[in-house]
Amino acid sequence: ELKVEQNPLFLSMQEGKNYTIYCNYSTTSDRLYWYRQDPGKSLESLFVLLSNGAVKQEGRLMASLDTKARLSTLHITAAVHDLSATYFCAVIQTGANNLFFGTGTRLTVIP
Amino acid sequence: ETGVTQTPRHLVMGMTNKKSLKCEQHLGHNAMYWYKQSAKKPLELMFVYSLEERVENNSVPSRFSPECPNSSHLFLHLHTLQPEDSALYLCASSRDTQGASDSPLHFGNGTRLTVT
Repeated sequence: ELKVEQNPLFLSMQEGKNYTIYCNYSTTSDRLYWYRQDPGKSLESLFVLLSNGAVKQEGRLMASLDTKARLSTLHITAAVHDLSATYFCAVIQTGANNLFFGTGTRLTVIP
Repeated sequence: ETGVTQTPRHLVMGMTNKKSLKCEQHLGHNAMYWYKQSAKKPLELMFVYSLEERVENNSVPSRFSPECPNSSHLFLHLHTLQPEDSALYLCASSRDTQGASDSPLHFGNGTRLTVT
């Protein structure tokens, strides 16, 4: 079974700082998703990364995918309080029908 | 408004009760899913339906019984649950199943289930 590991699991950072969340996965995949979940709310899709070297940016968040290293990163630039949430990566194994989620990274941005 | 609506938002039930969770999507999607979200564990896929046919069942105990009467509605029937079944149950939909397209999942707000 495909394993998806995120680190860190918890991240507390000050406003204005930069940081990166990492997502490693254990088997071949050519598709990776990032989701955000606010407390008590549903998961919201942020990015879909479809190929090696893919990079997508939305506001202060930028996601990248390295399929050879089986690694995706979610980079936060100049964090603001509104980015506080739990971030999940999810990977689909090549040829399969099942999306495997990481355990999530709970981000708290401190004013 | 997420486009995927789940009811109830909260449910407390005893181990001998029978209850149902309901999910409705207004997005015109063909695939619907049930996920279980427990503390400190990754989201676990329970069931996948594509065009009202079940295509995936991830070794879920029979005390959970899904029903998909049409492509817009999905139910999860619960009976004789255990306390360890307490969790957030999330419904999701997508244009096609994850193996067939790259469209992301659209999640509902979930049902917080407590089994006493």
